[in-house]
Amino acid sequence: KAGVTQTPRYLIKTRGQQVTLSCSPISGHRSVSWYQQTPGQGLQFLFEYFSETQRNKGNFPGRFSGRQFSNSRSEMNVSTLELGDSALYLCASSWGRTGPIYEQYFGPGTRLTVT
Amino acid sequence: ELKVEQNPLFLSMQEGKNYTIYCNYSTTSDRLYWYRQDPGKSLESLFVLLSNGAVKQEGRLMASLDTKARLSTLHITAAVHDLSATYFCAVAQGAQKLVFGQGTRLTINP
Repeated sequence: KAGVTQTPRYLIKTRGQQVTLSCSPISGHRSVSWYQQTPGQGLQFLFEYFSETQRNKGNFPGRFSGRQFSNSRSEMNVSTLELGDSALYLCASSWGRTGPIYEQYFGPGTRLTVT
Repeated sequence: ELKVEQNPLFLSMQEGKNYTIYCNYSTTSDRLYWYRQDPGKSLESLFVLLSNGAVKQEGRLMASLDTKARLSTLHITAAVHDLSATYFCAVAQGAQKLVFGQGTRLTINP
């Protein structure tokens, strides 16, 4: 069974640019959550999507947005990048048709560097 | 607002010793998770604890949950070098949102 995949794995952008990250959940999973990990702030919840609807959102500015497609794949977008957006972005998938609904499986992450 | 605090944040120990990482959280929740993260890697799920008094063990790691005290512990028995990593606890807030502790960086020396 394939795990959670994230693309790209590494990204370097310049301040002011925008970026789109992609996450493909485990087959059958309908929930995708996004987290930002930085040395200073730790792991912080960005948002969660279930069946193409955003169900929960963390305390991040509107520059951070996301969406989910009908095949459960999700993208997150960050506009007008700032140096502080440099982080490891992790997505987690859960809520399959079988198995425990509470298990969350994390992808390998996308390392974003803003210069 | 749910807050999750781990201690210690840094732990250096010798192989063969036992130690415990503590995770306190501020409001009630129905799920508590423990994850392991190696440098530059993603999060690996270790345990999910669902009820008061829950205890789970895998190898040299044992996790427990006391929902009344809002406390979970991760106990390491006879540590080996391979267990060196950062350990996070996370508490569920709502359906799929996790609030993480700061992480405990564990270094096990020969």
